[in-house]
Amino acid sequence: QLQLQESGPGLVKPSEETLSLTCTVSGGSISSTTHYWGWIRQPPGKGLEWIGSIYYTGNTYYNPSLKSRVTISVDTSKNHFSLKMSSVTAADTAVYYCATNGPTLYDAFDIWGQGTMVTVSS
Amino acid sequence: QSVLTQPPSASGTPGQRVTISCSGSSSNIGSNYVYWYQQLPGTAPKLLIYRNNQRPSGVPDRFSGSKSGTSVSLAISGLRSEDEADYYCAAWDDSLSGRLFGGGTKLTVL
Repeated sequence: QLQLQESGPGLVKPSEETLSLTCTVSGGSISSTTHYWGWIRQPPGKGLEWIGSIYYTGNTYYNPSLKSRVTISVDTSKNHFSLKMSSVTAADTAVYYCATNGPTLYDAFDIWGQGTMVTVSS
Repeated sequence: QSVLTQPPSASGTPGQRVTISCSGSSSNIGSNYVYWYQQLPGTAPKLLIYRNNQRPSGVPDRFSGSKSGTSVSLAISGLRSEDEADYYCAAWDDSLSGRLFGGGTKLTVL
């Protein structure tokens, strides 16, 4: 049974710092040909927003509204994938979830991590 | 403002049937599968319906999805108190080349 776990700092300073999170996959291989790996966020009291997705080959797909600030990468040797978001502001304060979907990019996220709260504040 | 439009709230009494709508356009709902998620307070979203009307194993058949043109609906029959949650629709958008979520509907069981 696949399980995903987010990790990273819970507090990031605005503007100058980069938000960095990692999602560790257990119970399966991140190199699976039938899975894509994604990041979704949810500001407090608000709805869900897709940030982007990656395939084990390194192919990436980003939300156009965040693309200029976001990089998603995969490390198959560590069975994890990562999110980096630059030039963060208070508007980036949210619970960040990692999730998996497949076998196509367009399929539903069917397994989610528990989420990690990231606060952007000085 | 989400591209996929949901009513912000819905309510019903135990045993009742409730429907939540989600409206989009030809570039998203009109041409792609739609998914529904249930989010209980303080927890990660859970997949409720995939590919418009399919239920993952373990999801009760009280939950059903339907699609017509550029709109979809989630129906919950035999409403229970544990159904009180936020519900989100989602779909890929061909114009944006990205995944969209609806704004969410908060379901209250009276």
